Amino acid sequence: DAGVIQSPRHEVTEMGQEVTLRCKPISGHDYLFWYRQTMMRGLELLIYFNNNVPIDDSGMPEDRFSAKMPNASFSTLKIQPSEPRDSAVYFCASTKPGQGMETQYFGPGTRLLVL
Amino acid sequence: AQSVTQLDSQVPVFEEAPVELRCNYSSSVSVYLFWYVQYPNQGLQLLLKYLSGSTLVKGINGFEAEFNKSQTSFHLRKPSVHISDTAEYFCAVRRSNDYKLSFGAGTTVTVRA
Repeated sequence: DAGVIQSPRHEVTEMGQEVTLRCKPISGHDYLFWYRQTMMRGLELLIYFNNNVPIDDSGMPEDRFSAKMPNASFSTLKIQPSEPRDSAVYFCASTKPGQGMETQYFGPGTRLLVL
Repeated sequence: AQSVTQLDSQVPVFEEAPVELRCNYSSSVSVYLFWYVQYPNQGLQLLLKYLSGSTLVKGINGFEAEFNKSQTSFHLRKPSVHISDTAEYFCAVRRSNDYKLSFGAGTTVTVRA
């Protein structure tokens, strides 16, 4: 399996622009998580899905952030409009019930810089 | 809610020396505990986990951790480190009936020859 795939790996944009981050979970995994990593706040869970349905979005910072999972193999995290304080590394992770479900498999991350 | 405290932000260590990374947690309910490693410019990789049973847990790359319920600790150890162990290490906790991981601030381990 290719693991969790994220795109783009790097994104540089200007303040006010819309940013879309993409994630493909490991096939067969029905839990998907979005995390943000910054120097100031460390690793934070933003939102997670089960069977494409958002279960907990309490970590989403504000209305500028939205996440969707239209099918089992694809999720997006959108920031509109972006701000410099959104600069961070965004990770996607997936897991599945049963064997090894306690283990979340992380993607390589998207490094976002908002100028 | 549960929380995690990693007591050391940076740990320099010489090659082939032992290392211990300290992690304390707080939770009012039963929890699962994890250690993840992040190599430069990469995602997180699971080193080991404690769910139940033996309090000494062995993981990949020669790492082990010991769960101490009375001390609410889950310290990570390796008896002899390599240059390739240079990375950031995260302790994480989640409630046994939930999937939300809470991470510590991380410990940067730098191994020198």
